[in-house]
Amino acid sequence: AQSVTQLGSHVSVSEGALVLLRCNYSSSVPPYLFWYVQYPNQGLQLLLKYTSAATLVKGINGFEAEFKKSETSFHLTKPSAHMSDAAEYFCAVWSTGNQFYFGTGTSLTVIP
Amino acid sequence: DTGVSQNPRHKITKRGQNVTFRCDPISEHNRLYWYRQTLGQGPEFLTYFQNEAQLEKSRLLSDRFSAERPKGSFSTLEIQRTEQGDSAMYLCASSLVLQGDGYTFGSGTRLTVV
Repeated sequence: AQSVTQLGSHVSVSEGALVLLRCNYSSSVPPYLFWYVQYPNQGLQLLLKYTSAATLVKGINGFEAEFKKSETSFHLTKPSAHMSDAAEYFCAVWSTGNQFYFGTGTSLTVIP
Repeated sequence: DTGVSQNPRHKITKRGQNVTFRCDPISEHNRLYWYRQTLGQGPEFLTYFQNEAQLEKSRLLSDRFSAERPKGSFSTLEIQRTEQGDSAMYLCASSLVLQGDGYTFGSGTRLTVV
């Protein structure tokens, strides 16, 4: 079975500080991994995706993530947090069964 | 192209009533998906269509739920005899290709059952 675990349901950082959101996956086959962002009362917006190419993936809004097979991790980072980054972030694995499995989400708060 | 459109954005209904949601996907996308997201959780897969064929249904989709995509374009999700536990955000997404790439989500329909 495929699944993702997001460590930390709430993360707070100061504006300008490093953002690190953690995601570990469980997959019996090489996974396709994604990070999505969700603003209040909005749908999900794709931040970035890993699909077996480069292990360091760059996404929108300055976010990036590194696929580490040895650690089964796909953590999301951003060097400098901005107030507009405050949102809910979801890690997801694409299943060969034609669906996403999402983590439970991490709520990011940015403190001015 | 205006993306994936969902209507209504919000729905409040009394327990026991039937509700229907509509999703209009991106026009060239042949795959359409429904997910449910409860408070504090990630979205959970309900069902998906390829063109008008419903190819997969989650066990979350009880017999009170039915989804259709009659002409391979828009889709409807109906919930009969709503229960308080049905309160959630219902998300629709569409895509053209496999492997989760090119997925576009709508803004969702938030259902509140009182």
